[in-house]
Amino acid sequence: EAGVVQSPRYKIIEKKQPVAFWCNPISGHNTLYWYLQNLGQGPELLIRYENEEAVDDSQLPKDRFSAERLKGVDSTLKIQPAELGDSAVYLCASSSALSNIQYFGAGTRLSVL
Amino acid sequence: GQQVMQIPQYQHVQEGEDFTTYCNSSTTLSNIQWYKQRPGGHPVFLIQLVKSGEVKKQKRLTFQFGEAKKNSSLHITATQTTDVGTYFCAGPRSGTYKYIFGTGTRLKVLA
Repeated sequence: EAGVVQSPRYKIIEKKQPVAFWCNPISGHNTLYWYLQNLGQGPELLIRYENEEAVDDSQLPKDRFSAERLKGVDSTLKIQPAELGDSAVYLCASSSALSNIQYFGAGTRLSVL
Repeated sequence: GQQVMQIPQYQHVQEGEDFTTYCNSSTTLSNIQWYKQRPGGHPVFLIQLVKSGEVKKQKRLTFQFGEAKKNSSLHITATQTTDVGTYFCAGPRSGTYKYIFGTGTRLKVLA
């Protein structure tokens, strides 16, 4: 069974440019999470989806960040416009309805120049 | 707000020595999870503890959940180079499924 798939693995952009990250969770997992991880720190939750509904987006900077999970499967996280401080690893995770164990993808490392 | 702190921040040990990391929450937790993140990798789930005072073992790893359910520890016996990485604890914010990750303990094992 495939794990959580994220793309791209790396992204380098100039500030003020838009960027998007994609996540395909483990098949059958209805809960999807987007985390931000700065170097040397633990993951910080940006948004959590239950199926297609965003049930916790209190930590998402809504002025520049947006996310969607239209069919309750894949998800996209977008930043527009990107700022220097957005440089970090963006992790996607998923869990099933039967367990709160989170399975993480490999992440997207974003560098904003 | 709720905070989850871990100590130490870094630990260097000689291969074969033991290692312990401690996790402390500012609030009572319904459960606690531990994850390992290898350098350049992503967090991988290790274990979940639910009961007060619970102790679980996985080979050389021993996990404990405090009686007050506000702290936890991970102990590794006779470390190996494969144990290198950052160990995170994570606990849910009260009444939610939002997990707050600890600050992590970065373990380096010297051969």
